[in-house]
Amino acid sequence: DAKTTQPNSMESNEEEPVHLPCNHSTISGTDYIHWYRQLPSQGPEYVIHGLTSNVNNRMASLAIAEDRKSSTLILHRATLRDAAVYYCILRDVTTGTASKLTFGTGTRLQVTL
Amino acid sequence: NAGVTQTPKFRILKIGQSMTLQCAQDMNHNYMYWYRQDPGMGLKLIYYSVGAGITDKGEVPNGYNVSRSTTEDFPLRLELAAPSQTSVYFCASSPTGGNTIYFGEGSWLTVV
Repeated sequence: DAKTTQPNSMESNEEEPVHLPCNHSTISGTDYIHWYRQLPSQGPEYVIHGLTSNVNNRMASLAIAEDRKSSTLILHRATLRDAAVYYCILRDVTTGTASKLTFGTGTRLQVTL
Repeated sequence: NAGVTQTPKFRILKIGQSMTLQCAQDMNHNYMYWYRQDPGMGLKLIYYSVGAGITDKGEVPNGYNVSRSTTEDFPLRLELAAPSQTSVYFCASSPTGGNTIYFGEGSWLTVV
């Protein structure tokens, strides 16, 4: 799987938007961009994923650059419950075997009052 | 909704002991995974399975064994525990290889 690069940590004030960047300059045409987050002492949970177009769901929005070499996870109004480690992951879904997630160290988001 | 259930949640082992981490999912998912996470690090894949009777090694399989006799269960066996196996273990499942992966709550293992 292609590699991703994320900042180690970010801070945000509560109720403000948060933009979490991810670089994936070696992304292939069949790689989907997935975001997971891991709350303290819990297993990772799915946030959102996309291929080329921007995506929205109840948790977040995903903005994908036109050349697909970078993407941004947007939390529209951060709350204290959004404090977590956010992982940006590429998954090639055309492989015949299990498309295994490869986790880096992610971005630790701190949210303050 | 049970999802992915792992037991035990916490365990302390002595060096050289063996144990099995249990994992069960009730979503009828074909794919199941075992990851480990060391402090401050990302998750590393130990073993995975694409269906009953089929297992394969991940990135860090040494010191572990798995079996997949049913769709629901994917136990992870630690033989001859070593301090280097002190970690948090996560079991996960997904419908297919490309779908969303659902994780259990983790099993904290300490080897002393």
